[in-house]
Amino acid sequence: KQEVTQIPAALSVPEGENLVLNCSFTDSAIYNLQWFRQDPGKGLTSLLLIQSSQREQTSGRLNASLDKSSGRSTLYIAASQPGDSATYLCAVQGGSEKLVFGKGTKLTVNP
Amino acid sequence: ETGVTQSPTHLIKTRGQQVTLRCSSQSGHNTVSWYQQALGQGPQFIFQYYREEENGRGNFPPRFSGLQFPNYSSELNVNALELDDSALYLCASSSHGDRGAKNIQYFGAGTRLSVL
Repeated sequence: KQEVTQIPAALSVPEGENLVLNCSFTDSAIYNLQWFRQDPGKGLTSLLLIQSSQREQTSGRLNASLDKSSGRSTLYIAASQPGDSATYLCAVQGGSEKLVFGKGTKLTVNP
Repeated sequence: ETGVTQSPTHLIKTRGQQVTLRCSSQSGHNTVSWYQQALGQGPQFIFQYYREEENGRGNFPPRFSGLQFPNYSSELNVNALELDDSALYLCASSSHGDRGAKNIQYFGAGTRLSVL
């Protein structure tokens, strides 16, 4: 059974800092991994999707890496801004089409 | 905006009642997945519908059921509501079978269900 863990559960940083969010998964037989952003009480916004054959994806100030063999992914956020404050969720997709999510990292960027 | 719409946005029910939640998928998508997100938790997969049939189910009891219509929209029905059913219910649409970069699941804003 696939399990996804995200560390830390919460993170508070000053504006401008670079930061890394971590995600680990137990079964390396995945098709892809996605990072989502969720604002309080809202739905999910897909940030980056990494296929199993890829090592990383970049979008603006965001960079996600994937090490499938070790079951790890990181989301790097450069030059953080208060508008980045949200919960970041990692999800993996395996043989079925369902997504298995971690519990998320709640990020607060202080002005 | 993902093009996935859910209704209603909020709902309050009492224990034992039944509820129906609705989802319209993004244009061009033929698959709808439903997730339950309890407070402080990640979303949990309930089930997925493709071509109007259930195509995978998570660890949820039979009182959680669904439908998919010919236009690919979907309903989630929950019978005999329990207090623990209080959660954000998320719907996601995608294209079945494409597990590459195109198979991004696009999520709606969710329906917040409170069971009193």
